[in-house]
Formats: sequence, C-alpha cells, structure tokens
Amino acid sequence: QVQLVQSGAEVLKPGASVRVSCKASGYTFTGYYIHWVRQAPGQGLEWMGRINPNSGATNFAQRFQGRVTLSSDMSIRTAYLGLSRLTSDDTAVYYCAKIPFPLEMDTNSPVFDYWGQGTLVTVSS
Amino acid sequence: QSALTQPASVSGSPGQSITISCTGTGSDIGAYDYVSWYQQHPGKAPKLIIYDVTDRPSGVPARFSGSKSGNTASLTISGLQAEDEADYYCNSYRSTNTVVFGGGTKVTVL
Repeated sequence: QVQLVQSGAEVLKPGASVRVSCKASGYTFTGYYIHWVRQAPGQGLEWMGRINPNSGATNFAQRFQGRVTLSSDMSIRTAYLGLSRLTSDDTAVYYCAKIPFPLEMDTNSPVFDYWGQGTLVTVSS
Repeated sequence: QSALTQPASVSGSPGQSITISCTGTGSDIGAYDYVSWYQQHPGKAPKLIIYDVTDRPSGVPARFSGSKSGNTASLTISGLQAEDEADYYCNSYRSTNTVVFGGGTKVTVL
C-alpha cells in the first residue's frame, strides 16, 4: 500500500534552516509529483511547492521563492523540503503529498490522494 | 498569493444538506476544472473527498458532491452525519504552475 513517512519533529532557533524528509513506498516513486503543504497552528493549509522526482524540476509558491529547496533521491525513494532563514511564522506542520496521476498524463490538477503524517517544525528562541 | 475564499463556518443538523462555497478568480477556479476538496479532522492529515470539481475517489460516500459555476466551486454534503464534523478545504490549480488553497470551513453538526 502507498505510504509517505516523514521525519520527526524539529525545534529550531530563528535564522536557522530545516530539512524535512518524506520516504515513499508502495508505488513508483519517480512516476508521480510530490507536493509540500504546511499548516500553522490553528490555521489553514498553504501550498509551498512541488517536485518531479524523475527530472528534479520544481515549482514554488512565490512567497517562498529563494528560501525553499525541494529535492529528491530516487535511490532511497525520498523527497526533501528545505527551508532557510526561519522565523516564528514558519512554525507549522509540514506535509508531503503525492498526486495520483502519472507524470506522463501531464495534468496540473492538484489532487493529493496520499499524505504524509506531517512534521511539526517549531521555531523559537 | 491570495487564498481562495471560503466561509469560516457552516452548520447543520443531522440529515440536513449543507453547501460550502469556494470563490476564486478567472486565473484559477474560473479557468480550470481543477478543484479538489479535502476533509480534515483535528490532529489528522487532510483526506481527499472530491477532485476535478465533481469526481469522488473510491470509498468516499456519495453524500459528498461537488460543482462549479464561474469562479465559484461548491461542496455539498447531503444527509449530514455526526462524523462529517471537520474542517474542509478547497484547492485549485492557478496559472504559472502554482496551487492555491481556500482558508478552510469548519463544519459543525448541531
């Protein structure tokens, strides 16, 4: 069965950087986009970006440009989210999610059928 | 990057029908039939309940349905049940390869 298992909670100081991992199983990792979504405490969902695990191509929400890095390692079926220059506003649960449509369908439909369990990132001095 | 607009809360009694709206622009909901809806219970990851405006994934009850008119998409829950009490989010593809979510709607079953 499809599973996305994320790394554990992190506590960091302002100005630091964080990397969250998302290990996939149960499907062809290089065949489907992985997206990243975050949710601040008591707030709504916010889309951050996506990666094509086959080519490494990425797209980001404008507000994260220059501060976020998406990467993947197909040898270990793992996608990564990196976020730098952290502030308290970055305190949130970070989710990875996959798209059900194969890359070759070339659709932009933002359908997230499987989600990771979430990773709480706390930024505090 | 403005979020899609959803009502903050909607409530209904068991068995009733409720509708949640999700308003965007001509660059997202109005331009593409790429609207999805997610249900989120406290402390849990979101769950997909509607995609591509009207399609329902396998296993999602038929009482959940979606529609769209112009720049506004809607989720209707017919025959409201206690377990439907949750937060609901819409999202849409927006031009230039980005995705936007709605602010979320808290559904209360009275």
